[in-house]
Amino acid sequence: EPEVTQTPSHQVTQMGQEVILRCVPISNHLYFYWYRQILGQKVEFLVSFYNNEISEKSEIFDDQFSVERPDGSNFTLKIRSTKLEDSAMYFCASSDGTFPEAFFGQGTRLTVV
Amino acid sequence: AQSVSQHNHHVILSEAASLELGCNYSYGGTVNLFWYVQYPGQHLQLLLKYFSGDPLVKGIKGFEAEFIKSKFSFNLRKPSVQWSDTAEYFCAVNVPWSSARQLTFGSGTQLTVLP
Repeated sequence: EPEVTQTPSHQVTQMGQEVILRCVPISNHLYFYWYRQILGQKVEFLVSFYNNEISEKSEIFDDQFSVERPDGSNFTLKIRSTKLEDSAMYFCASSDGTFPEAFFGQGTRLTVV
Repeated sequence: AQSVSQHNHHVILSEAASLELGCNYSYGGTVNLFWYVQYPGQHLQLLLKYFSGDPLVKGIKGFEAEFIKSKFSFNLRKPSVQWSDTAEYFCAVNVPWSSARQLTFGSGTQLTVLP
């Protein structure tokens, strides 16, 4: 069964450093998403990406964040200068153009120290 | 904007007990409704979904949910839980025909099933 894969599974970084979280969505999917879940809190939408551009972003997705689809398979989330409050589990998801349910990766746990 | 409420933060049941987890949403128009489950250390998996039609939907692993439009609710049920159902359960909505289709999640319900 096709699945969304994310790397790394856990990343520890120092405050102020840049991090790139990587995702390989399901191959025939058209919509790509990043969500995050701060420990003990709800899963929050960050950004959606369709047709090689951002289609929607939340208030959380400020100038420190960016997304890219550098090639036909990868979808990345970059945080330019990490803050302590960026520590969270980051989930990538994808969906096709027909059915609106999203399929999620296993997540990357980001710890900013 | 839509929002989702899950009022039960932690539910503890014994095996074979019946389960009902509440989910209410707030949105004036048509929504798609989902229940996702997150087993310990694993990714979010889709349990079931409602788009239209029969308001009683059946999902994987014996779960079902009923959409009651007048109550803006989409409660998850299972007649007899097993120890392996221990997980966190998330209700979510999105708006059909939205260009972005992002999900809005509830805060989740941790289910612990005692053997």
